[in-house]
Amino acid sequence: KQEVTQIPAALSVPEGENLVLNCSFTDSAIYNLQWFRQDPGKGLTSLLLIQSSQREQTSGRLNASLDKSSGRSTLYIAASQPGDSATYLCAALGTASKLTFGTGTRLQVTL
Amino acid sequence: GAVVSQHPSRVICKSGTSVKIECRSLDFQATTMFWYRQFPKQSLMLMATSNEGSKATYEQGVEKDKFLINHASLTLSTLTVTSAHPEDSSFYICSASKPGTPMKEPQYFGPGTRLLVL
Repeated sequence: KQEVTQIPAALSVPEGENLVLNCSFTDSAIYNLQWFRQDPGKGLTSLLLIQSSQREQTSGRLNASLDKSSGRSTLYIAASQPGDSATYLCAALGTASKLTFGTGTRLQVTL
Repeated sequence: GAVVSQHPSRVICKSGTSVKIECRSLDFQATTMFWYRQFPKQSLMLMATSNEGSKATYEQGVEKDKFLINHASLTLSTLTVTSAHPEDSSFYICSASKPGTPMKEPQYFGPGTRLLVL
């Protein structure tokens, strides 16, 4: 059974800092790894999707990497802004199109 | 685009009543839809996978007679919480995937439905 863990559970950084969120998964037999953003009481916004054959994906200030053999993915956020404050979730896509979500990292970017 | 809507966004009901939540893919046909539940400060847990025209596949520990799922068309799936109790209070989120590309495209998530059972 796939288990996905995210570290840290919560993070507070001053505006402008670069930061890294970590995601680890126990079963490396995944089709892709996705990163989502969730604002309080809201649904999910897809940020990046990395196919199992890829090493990284970039979108604006976001860069996600994937090391399938070690069961790890990271989300790098450059020059953080207060608007980046949210919970970030990673999810691994396994068999039968099932997404297993991580525990989430609550990010707060302060002025 | 790929937009998924849910209705209602919020519902409060009395214990023992049934509640229906709709999930619609607005601009694409979704052969597969997924239902998740999220308790406060916890992550999303997959409840069931819904395929158009066939019975839903439920995850271990999810009561299929309590959480009725119907996927009658390529754009609509419904989740009915039958005889709801306070412990069913949660945030329910659906997602949909485009046909033929589940491994290459992200699942598209609805905005969620917050259920409060009194």
